[in-house]
Amino acid sequence: AQSVTQPDIHITVSEGASLELRCNYSYGATPYLFWYVQSPGQGLQLLLKYFSGDTLVQGIKGFEAEFKRSQSSFNLRKPSVHWSDAAEYFCAVVLTGGGNKLTFGTGTQLKVEL
Amino acid sequence: DAGVIQSPRHEVTEMGQEVTLRCKPISGHNSLFWYRQTMMRGLELLIYFNNNVPIDDSGMPEDRFSAKMPNASFSTLKIQPSEPRDSAVYFCASSRTSGKAGELFFGEGSRLTVL
Repeated sequence: AQSVTQPDIHITVSEGASLELRCNYSYGATPYLFWYVQSPGQGLQLLLKYFSGDTLVQGIKGFEAEFKRSQSSFNLRKPSVHWSDAAEYFCAVVLTGGGNKLTFGTGTQLKVEL
Repeated sequence: DAGVIQSPRHEVTEMGQEVTLRCKPISGHNSLFWYRQTMMRGLELLIYFNNNVPIDDSGMPEDRFSAKMPNASFSTLKIQPSEPRDSAVYFCASSRTSGKAGELFFGEGSRLTVL
């Protein structure tokens, strides 16, 4: 079945530590890939996107993500986490030729310990 | 520039009552989306419009839900009659269609509680 999977529901890291959030997709063709962040009580904000080309994409707030076709993955990374990064992170896809319809994963809640 | 504006931010109502949620998209955006967020089901796309026309309403749960977009600057999501299982946060989002697939701007959401 077509899906977007975020295997980690919760992740806790110490401030200053590196971060990697996992995302896998299961579609026949490579979709457009996105990461969004949701702070408590807020709407979602786009962090970064991948359409094609360079498989390492840079986003806002110091985040980056790497597309790996062989693993059907699009993991989000940050070298040094700040306490303000505590939020929920969603991986999402748009199927190529699927118009503008964005489908989200189940999210990963990030907690940052001081 | 103003972002996506949703109202009300919070709504508490009793089962059976009509609920209307409102959304003003970002000026110049021609796609509008309604999402529902719950703990159990996560983020679900209910319906989306391109140029005020509904394109995909396959996510609308049942006939009690309806959405309209009478013009480029306003949309409503109506639930009639409301039920406790409709309790959720409803998000409106907008985007430009051409060349920006998936780049959505979200409002802050309307938290609905149906007693």
